Order: sequence, then structure tokens, then C-alpha cells
Amino acid sequence: AQKITQTQPGMFVQEKEAVTLDCTYDTSDPSYGLFWYKQPSSGEMIFLIYQGSYDQQNATEGRYSLNFQKARKSANLVISASQLGDSAMYFCAMREFASKIIFGSGTRLSIRP
Amino acid sequence: GAGVSQSPRYKVAKRGQDVALRCDPISGHVSLFWYQQALGQGPEFLTYFQNEAQLDKSGLPSDRFFAERPEGSVSTLKIQRTQQEDSAVYLCASSLGSLDINPDTQYFGPGTRLTVL
Repeated sequence: AQKITQTQPGMFVQEKEAVTLDCTYDTSDPSYGLFWYKQPSSGEMIFLIYQGSYDQQNATEGRYSLNFQKARKSANLVISASQLGDSAMYFCAMREFASKIIFGSGTRLSIRP
Repeated sequence: GAGVSQSPRYKVAKRGQDVALRCDPISGHVSLFWYQQALGQGPEFLTYFQNEAQLDKSGLPSDRFFAERPEGSVSTLKIQRTQQEDSAVYLCASSLGSLDINPDTQYFGPGTRLTVL
């Protein structure tokens, strides 16, 4: 069965610093996808970045990059040069082939000015 | 429309009442998903539609929960005889393709916050 684990309930980071949000997963399916979503206080889930299990390179989207270590089954999100607007809940999620998405429990990121 | 919309944004119900939550997906999106998000938790899958067909309802917590998408666009999640444990945010998401396509990113609506007194 697929499983997602986020071990950091909350993090505080100084503005302009880089931050890494941890995510580990478990699956026996060789074909899967990993997602990161941001959920600000308004409640809407905002898609940030995607990594496929067969992708050779780590995904990047602007200030977001995904540190994909397949052998360790980890998919950490790296946010470079953090901004005050980055304060939110962040969810790691996984989907096996033709299956539903499951989400981790989330990490609350707070950016200090 | 530009994104997924949901209505109402907030709903307060007395225990035992029936409620109906509406989701308008992004135009042209084939797949539609409903999730339940308890306070401080990640979303939990409820059900999935591909067009008008409900292909997976394994996450519905009881037979009091019912979802439909009769014309393959707008969807309604209905909860009968609401209980206090039904209090949560109900999120709807849509995606362009079907589950066998990766990444087929899901785009979420703002959610409906249901409070059952």
C-alpha cells in the first residue's frame, strides 16, 4: 500500500533563506508520481511541482525544486530564497499508476521577516 | 471559468440535517475528485469521477455520503443525517485527463467548510 510521511509538523525560517521540507514515501509500484501542494490560510490547495518515478532529473519550477532520491524513497521540497508569502501548509502527495492521490500530514512553514 | 469553484464556502448544519455541496470543475476537465480534510490533516480521498462515471468511491466513510456528476461537469456531494464527525473542509479537484495519465495534475477548489452542531 502506498504511504506518505512528513515528519516536520512545523518549521520557522528566516526570510531569504533556503528551506527544505522533508517527504518520504512507500510504494511497491514502479510507476508513480510525487506532488507538492501549498495550502495558504485561505484553504485552497495550490499545485507547486511534480516528479515522475522515471524522470531522470530533479524537477524544478522557479524557486521550487524537488530533491528526488529514489533509492531512499524521499522527495524533499526545496524553496530557495524564501519569501513572507511562502508561509503556508505544505503537503507532499503521491499517486501510483491509475490510482488515487494520497497526501501526507503536512508541514506548516512560517517565514520570519 | 478560470479555476475550480465550490459552493457554499461555509455551511453550518444541525446534527441530522442533510447538506449538499457543489463543485464546478475547470471546463473540459475529465476527472473530478472529492476529498475530506480534517483540521490539521492532509486531504483524504473520498471519491473519483471520470466524466459522469463514478469509478472509485472507496473513500466515502459511510452510506450517508453520496456523490453524483450526472452530466460529466458539475458535481454534488450530499451528506445525509449529518453527524458532528462530518465537520471538515470538503475539497473538490479536477484534472484534464484520467488516472492512467501522469502527471495529470489535480487543481483544487477553495473548499467548503462544514460545521455540524
